[in-house]
Amino acid sequence: EADIYQTPRYLVIGTGKKITLECSQTMGHDKMYWYQQDPGMELHLIHYSYGVNSTEKGDLSSESTVSRIRTEHFPLTLESARPSHTSQYLCASSAHTGVHTEAFFGQGTRLTVV
Amino acid sequence: KNQVEQSPQSLIILEGKNCTLQCNYTVSPFSNLRWYKQDTGRGPVSLTIMTFSENTKSNGRYTATLDADTKQSSLHITASQLSDSASYICVVTDRGSTLGRLYFGRGTQLTVWP
Repeated sequence: EADIYQTPRYLVIGTGKKITLECSQTMGHDKMYWYQQDPGMELHLIHYSYGVNSTEKGDLSSESTVSRIRTEHFPLTLESARPSHTSQYLCASSAHTGVHTEAFFGQGTRLTVV
Repeated sequence: KNQVEQSPQSLIILEGKNCTLQCNYTVSPFSNLRWYKQDTGRGPVSLTIMTFSENTKSNGRYTATLDADTKQSSLHITASQLSDSASYICVVTDRGSTLGRLYFGRGTQLTVWP
């Protein structure tokens, strides 16, 4: 099993609240990613990081922000949660090993904003 | 535009039967193709990886094939078990950027009935 952890697994929160989804990996991977996935739909990249102090927005526009102060930690923050933010959020990390690059995924955080 | 298309969208089979899932991609330049299994409420887990020069790869009851010329891959599951019920996602990695960008299909939702 991959050493990448997300907390919380489930979160129900009211509109307007600030939330932070945690993601940590112990594999020393430089690259980390946040994906958003609605039920039955594909994963959409919303943020990624090449390494410490490097963050970029992904394909899907998101009101969330991320930070990468330490290699192992890549938290995602929503300053003011809205019902449209209800989704599953998956964190992943990878070490670029040429043609055998593999992304390891966390268990996901299912967010419900009411 | 880089895309990954999977078929069928969903599939129901009886326990013990075989099935084949399809993946067509347009990602270029191509690095590798992975099949992931995603159980409900969990993060995807890699089953097999195929690089440009590989045609067939097996992992237990899972056999993946790749035709790099037609940009098609299949995942064959033999003697299906109830635990095979999950979403199977085809993921293609490009080699055109340092990110090793991942492109996800929408997945095939497989249900195995007793």
